[in-house]
Amino acid sequence: GAVVSQHPSRVICKSGTSVKIECRSLDFQATTMFWYRQFPKQSLMLMATSNEGSKATYEQGVEKDKFLINHASLTLSTLTVTSAHPEDSSFYICSASSLNSGLPRETQYFGPGTRLLVL
Amino acid sequence: AQSVTQPDIHITVSEGASLELRCNYSYGATPYLFWYVQSPGQGLQLLLKYFSGDTLVQGIKGFEAEFKRSQSSFNLRKPSVHWSDAAEYFCAVVRDNNAGNMLTFGGGTRLMVKP
Repeated sequence: GAVVSQHPSRVICKSGTSVKIECRSLDFQATTMFWYRQFPKQSLMLMATSNEGSKATYEQGVEKDKFLINHASLTLSTLTVTSAHPEDSSFYICSASSLNSGLPRETQYFGPGTRLLVL
Repeated sequence: AQSVTQPDIHITVSEGASLELRCNYSYGATPYLFWYVQSPGQGLQLLLKYFSGDTLVQGIKGFEAEFKRSQSSFNLRKPSVHWSDAAEYFCAVVRDNNAGNMLTFGGGTRLMVKP
C-alpha cells in the first residue's frame, strides 16, 4: 500500500514552453502533497506543500508563478513549470501523506520522480 | 530550526561487511526521524522511522537504526551489506510536529559496495 506515481518519468522540452508533471496517490487519499526538487548529487529541497482544495504553500525563494501547483483532488496533484528555462532542468519528486487513510500521518510516501531537461 | 547532518558524503564498504551511516539532528523536542534510500534516478523508499518508544527500530532490507537522545543521533546500521544496497541514503526529520509533517533532509550519504 501507499503507492505514489508520477508522470512522465522524464521529459525534454524547449526553452520557453510549459511542462506539467502529475503526481498520483494510487491506493490512498493524499490530504497533503509535497513537491521537491533535487539537483545532481544533492539532497531534496522542498518547493511547496499543498493540501487538497487549498492553495499551495511555497518555500522561501520558490516562485509560485513559475511553479504552479494544483491539488484538485485527494489523489492528484500537478506541478506545472511555466516558461521553462535550462536552469529549471532538475529531478522533481513528489510525496504524499494522509490524515484519513489509516496511514501514519507523519510519514511521506514518495513518487519515483520526473527528470526534466530543458533545452 | 530543525536541521539534519549526515557527516559522510561517501562511504565505501566491501560486500558482506557491516555498515553504519551517521545522522545527527538538531531539534528541541522528541523528533520524528526517518531514513530513506534512493537508487539512481528513482524516488525515495522509506527504510524505517522513529516516533517514540523503543529506541532501536527495525526496518526493511535488514536495516536498523538507533535513536540516541544524548548524542542527538539516529545512525543507520546493517550487519552485512549486499551489492544491491549501493544507493544514496537520506536521513530526515519532521520539521515541526505542530505544523504538519514537512521534512528536513540531510545532505545524503552515497554508499558504494565493493565486490
